[in-house]
Amino acid sequence: DSGVTQTPKHLITATGQRVTLRCSPRSGDLSVYWYQQSLDQGLQFLIQYYNGEERAKGNILERFSAQQFPDLHSELNLSSLELGDSALYFCASSVVASNNEQFFGPGTRLTVL
Amino acid sequence: GDSVTQMEGPVTLSEEACLTINCTYTATGYPSLFWYVQYPGEGLQLLLKATKADDKGSNKGFEATYRKETTSFHLEKGSVQVSDSAVYFCALSDRGGADGLTFGKGTHLIIQP
Repeated sequence: DSGVTQTPKHLITATGQRVTLRCSPRSGDLSVYWYQQSLDQGLQFLIQYYNGEERAKGNILERFSAQQFPDLHSELNLSSLELGDSALYFCASSVVASNNEQFFGPGTRLTVL
Repeated sequence: GDSVTQMEGPVTLSEEACLTINCTYTATGYPSLFWYVQYPGEGLQLLLKATKADDKGSNKGFEATYRKETTSFHLEKGSVQVSDSAVYFCALSDRGGADGLTFGKGTHLIIQP
């Protein structure tokens, strides 16, 4: 158990819909990262937050957005969903932004029908 | 940009065989290097890491040495067990973790009794 929690575990929705994925980092970790794992693209970094502020952006689509709240939990919002958005979404956390060691949550499996 | 190339599987070995999974990288700076392991239905777990050239990371009998001259970080184990069956990801972190991790596509390892 990494100490990072993600909800829900599974999510099934339809094209065009909007969903929110939630992540709680390990106690004391200030930095949260979001990743997408799909069969064709592999594991891709989406976005990073550090202590409530956006720190870095990866391959995140404009339809996707995220935020980190004062209690340090984070939410990833996916809108106008397409079939190709079906994937595993992982959250990871680390102590500080420059700490290389990231601890991953169990992931949310999103299925878009 | 940064990239990681690793041998794709599946790699099938017998128990107690020697393991090498190759990993090479391209990075603009001086990255930290990682091996993560993903067991079926679970998130990623950090297996080992190395933060500078010639460093050797080791954990649970696995080892990898940061070779700057060959831009490689090959994963090795002298005697594998059935419980080592999993997907192994090589990854790098450039800019001191200020961005997310860049992952290879993963190597599926199957150990047969």
